[in-house]
Amino acid sequence: QSALTQPASVSGSPGQSITISCTGTSSDVGGYNYVSWYQQHPGKAPKLLIYDVSSRPSGVSNRFSGSKSANTASLTISGLQAEDEADYYCSSYRSSSTLGVFGTGTKVTIL
Amino acid sequence: QVVETGGGLVQPGGSLRLSCVAFEFTVSDNYMSWVRQAPGKGLEWVSIIYSGGTTYSADSVKGRFTLSRDISKNTLYLQMKSLRAEDTAVYYCVRSAMVQGIIIALDIWGPGTLVTVSS
Repeated sequence: QSALTQPASVSGSPGQSITISCTGTSSDVGGYNYVSWYQQHPGKAPKLLIYDVSSRPSGVSNRFSGSKSANTASLTISGLQAEDEADYYCSSYRSSSTLGVFGTGTKVTIL
Repeated sequence: QVVETGGGLVQPGGSLRLSCVAFEFTVSDNYMSWVRQAPGKGLEWVSIIYSGGTTYSADSVKGRFTLSRDISKNTLYLQMKSLRAEDTAVYYCVRSAMVQGIIIALDIWGPGTLVTVSS
């Protein structure tokens, strides 16, 4: 099954804000509020950052926020820090699949 | 937390069984998934087992991978057979939060175990 589309890379300077997009269809991102985001540092397991489009689990910094418009979900990281350099993946429920679908992944680089 | 074991090097066509033991929560009371990541690639959902025991797998592994669990050991298993080079990946055991049968988040991830399929 086809993955959700994310930009391959996004970069920003410390203190700035960046936004990562995640584009799907009306059968997944656009049709349901079940988008989640994950952060993965090199050699480590992914970590849940956002679920239900914009909810943060306990312990996740409020510098991470999520939103959605039509078929595109977005993750915004504000006040960029060196530790934010990592890969980020979105995920969504898809009506045609029992399993969810992941995005292609975005590498965030801190300049 | 969860911890996976059982990865290693296996020849094409061979079999391997991965284990995932959970701490501080009960595997059989939760929805548990296996997610894999090929070297340098993105995440791919492999399989899920519902708390009631129903399992689903991706088309890429259907008929070759089987999920099961041992309640007494609080352990989840992924039995893999007829392995192919394209199954080479880090395999993560993940607790899955679900609402009305829909996966809404993968909230607890293990560190992963590497499976290499090569002759």
